[in-house]
Amino acid sequence: DTAVSQTPKYLVTQMGNDKSIKCEQNLGHDTMYWYKQDSKKFLKIMFSYNNKELIINETVPNRFSPKSPDKAHLNLHINSLELGDSAVYFCASSQSGISGANVLTFGAGSRLTVL
Amino acid sequence: DQQVKQNSPSLSVQEGRISILNCDYTNSMFDYFLWYKKYPAEGPTFLISISSIKDKNEDGRFTVFLNKSAKHLSLHIVPSQPGDSAVYFCAVTYSGAGSYQLTFGKGTKLSVIP
Repeated sequence: DTAVSQTPKYLVTQMGNDKSIKCEQNLGHDTMYWYKQDSKKFLKIMFSYNNKELIINETVPNRFSPKSPDKAHLNLHINSLELGDSAVYFCASSQSGISGANVLTFGAGSRLTVL
Repeated sequence: DQQVKQNSPSLSVQEGRISILNCDYTNSMFDYFLWYKKYPAEGPTFLISISSIKDKNEDGRFTVFLNKSAKHLSLHIVPSQPGDSAVYFCAVTYSGAGSYQLTFGKGTKLSVIP
């Protein structure tokens, strides 16, 4: 039973299309994240939600819009896809608290390829 | 501007020997440090962490050392096993209330040779 599951695992699409990646966690955590790992291999945070409230919104184009319908779900919608959006997107979750907030549980990643 | 640097992209070690992975950071405000391990086609998994009030934390074969004055931390794996072959990411953060942001290095790919 996967703790943090994200779908799809692979996504190949054309420039200009709109796509979504879904994420669900069954750990009961109250905080969820989206991270992006680009071709340079850096893992960079994009968004963080705590109890469905957006708490981190890094410098990400407006074409990226996260949506958290409840604490267990954080979806990522991307409009007008560009070549530079090709990357692996990781969803993660954690439980807030001094020691727990930093121990993230990651999903397996969704590899997005924009042609 | 990299706040976290893992200068060795890869490292090869014989099984049974010690693996030492290094990480440097630039901002002295960071006070909590973590190592994550990642296998291919999987997400990173938490391995070990250390607070700035300590200079060493041990968990089985894994030990993390922190040198605050040098802004340097290292992960020691003794003895190294083939199953340790993975990419290791160093991550840093502020532990203050409301801080949920980890900054990751680029990772070091460890290969343990049987």
